[in-house]
Amino acid sequence: GAVVSQHPSRVICKSGTSVKIECRSLDFQATTMFWYRQFPKQSLMLMATSNEGSKATYEQGVEKDKFLINHASLTLSTLTVTSAHPEDSSFYICSARVLAGTGELFFGEGSRLTVL
Amino acid sequence: AQKVTQAQTEISVVEKEDVTLDCVYETRDTTYYLFWYKQPPSGELVFLIRRNSFDEQNEISGRYSWNFQKSTSSFNFTITASQVVDSAVYFCALSESVSGGGADGLTFGKGTHLIIQP
Repeated sequence: GAVVSQHPSRVICKSGTSVKIECRSLDFQATTMFWYRQFPKQSLMLMATSNEGSKATYEQGVEKDKFLINHASLTLSTLTVTSAHPEDSSFYICSARVLAGTGELFFGEGSRLTVL
Repeated sequence: AQKVTQAQTEISVVEKEDVTLDCVYETRDTTYYLFWYKQPPSGELVFLIRRNSFDEQNEISGRYSWNFQKSTSSFNFTITASQVVDSAVYFCALSESVSGGGADGLTFGKGTHLIIQP
């Protein structure tokens, strides 16, 4: 089946630094990728929709200057958490929609961010 | 606006019992997708099923079965003869269908934590 890879799977950083998380579709092209955030013991919340070659669409309440999304190619989207603070500590998961066929969605393994 | 309700926060059963996880959804769209995912403690989401709004047939896959009822806006998930390895958080999710097919960003329910005791 299609594979979506996220890197890094875990990251610990100091408060005030920026962290970049990559989401790659390994064996298919994806014009659209989605970024979700999941706080401990809670559900996944859609943060933004990332479209290749255009600006991301952010959900209400998500700061676009805080969470920078770049979707430079059909196989890669990146999420940069800028000036991270402890409240940004969370599990970030991406999903990618297959360009062709039935437009299925595939999820990455997730990236756990801990901000000290 | 879309909404997914999983009223059962946590369910605990003894191994080999059957268990049903409820999912009720709200949407104004006539074309949409429904999903179930399993999330073990490791965190990754394991895809279980995707069903589009025009396909109301129930589905069975091994010990798993799904009951889709548009009349009650429900998409319930049953595990037969549960096993300890089934212990996880299960999420029901809903998505609009975008032009050309395919699902849009998902709206997840809050999840049901299923505990299977040996």
